[in-house]
Amino acid sequence: DAKTTQPTSMDCAEGRAANLPCNHSTISGNEYVYWYRQIHSQGPQYIIHGLKNNETNEMASLIITEDRKSSTLILPHATLRDTAVYYCIVSPSSGGSYIPTFGRGTSLIVHP
Amino acid sequence: EPEVTQTPSHQVTQMGQEVILRCVPISNHLYFYWYRQILGQKVEFLVSFYNNEISEKSEIFDDQFSVERPDGSNFTLKIRSTKLEDSAMYFCASRAGTPSISYEQYFGPGTRLTVT
Repeated sequence: DAKTTQPTSMDCAEGRAANLPCNHSTISGNEYVYWYRQIHSQGPQYIIHGLKNNETNEMASLIITEDRKSSTLILPHATLRDTAVYYCIVSPSSGGSYIPTFGRGTSLIVHP
Repeated sequence: EPEVTQTPSHQVTQMGQEVILRCVPISNHLYFYWYRQILGQKVEFLVSFYNNEISEKSEIFDDQFSVERPDGSNFTLKIRSTKLEDSAMYFCASRAGTPSISYEQYFGPGTRLTVT
């Protein structure tokens, strides 16, 4: 699996955009970038995923660089409830089996 | 919105006892998973289940662990003889199968297992 690198922690003011970076320089052509988050003591929550185009849903936007070696998850208007650990995960090659490997992620603290 | 549910939310057991953790995945999902997270540690994959059989398992998932989908809705994880080091949060997850090509998984709220 391609390895990802994320900052250990970040903070953001409530109402501002939170931009969470992820490096995945060894990603291969058919691998997707997935983002999950884990609010304290809860199960991981799927946020968004993408291959090469930028993606947006009701939770966040995902910007993937043209060379696909890095991406940024954007929470456009962070709230206190967005305080969580955010995981950037690269999926293995296509196939029926996909097991996300959770690293340490980025601990995002949204403050008032 | 459909969600994965897990019971119990907290289970306390004595070392050597058997425990069964229960999960109800999202209906019409085809792939099922168990993960665990020891306090302060990463989320670790245990096992995946598809078409009524284990499709993948990690080194953690030894002979003390088993999974079952007894009735088409529940998905259970059994630990035959619990050890202190089995104390952790256990998360169940499910995902839609083919023809979907997306692999996002939906996780339950977890069961906190405490072995004393």
